[in-house]
Amino acid sequence: GAVVSQHPSWVICKSGTSVKIECRSLDFQATTMFWYRQFPKQSLMLMATSNEGSKATYEQGVEKDKFLINHASLTLSTLTVTSAHPEDSSFYICSAPGTGAYNEQFFGPGTRLTVL
Amino acid sequence: DAKTTQPTSMDCAEGRAANLPCNHSTISGNEYVYWYRQIHSQGPQYIIHGLKNNETNEMASLIITEDRKSSTLILPHATLRDTAVYYCIVRVGYNYGQNFVFGPGTRLSVLP
Repeated sequence: GAVVSQHPSWVICKSGTSVKIECRSLDFQATTMFWYRQFPKQSLMLMATSNEGSKATYEQGVEKDKFLINHASLTLSTLTVTSAHPEDSSFYICSAPGTGAYNEQFFGPGTRLTVL
Repeated sequence: DAKTTQPTSMDCAEGRAANLPCNHSTISGNEYVYWYRQIHSQGPQYIIHGLKNNETNEMASLIITEDRKSSTLILPHATLRDTAVYYCIVRVGYNYGQNFVFGPGTRLSVLP
């Protein structure tokens, strides 16, 4: 099946710094990608939809100026957590829809962010 | 998309079949049933999906009731590596720009 990669797999940063997370579709193109956040013992929650060539769409309650999304190409979307704080510590997961008839989602392995 | 209901947790003995139920009583005619699982600290992994008929692949079988209001995911011979959270998701299949909505899922523990 199709593969989605994320980089880095984990990152530790100081409070107030910015962190960039990359999401790549390795063997297919994705004009849309999704960014999820998952806190411990909770389910995945959609943060935003990344659209190639246009602005991202953010879910209610997600600060667009804090979580910057750039869909630079048909295979790359980036999520930048600006001025990170400890409460931003979470597991961030991206996904991209397949282009087959059933549009299953292919998920990245996730990025563990810890803000000190 | 239709809402789903799953048990919070289940145990299964290693080597036995794991049967994970899912209720989706408000499913629409054009909505598919998808199953994903998430092993600890990893991204969700696709398992199987179906519309009306029962489906089987190398990972699992999916049994959908005739009225489509519920389904069961079957792992025929569970191993310790099948310990994960299993998500049943119902959504329209032909919708490229739509994300998947995850409920709490079922935490399956495969016991030695």
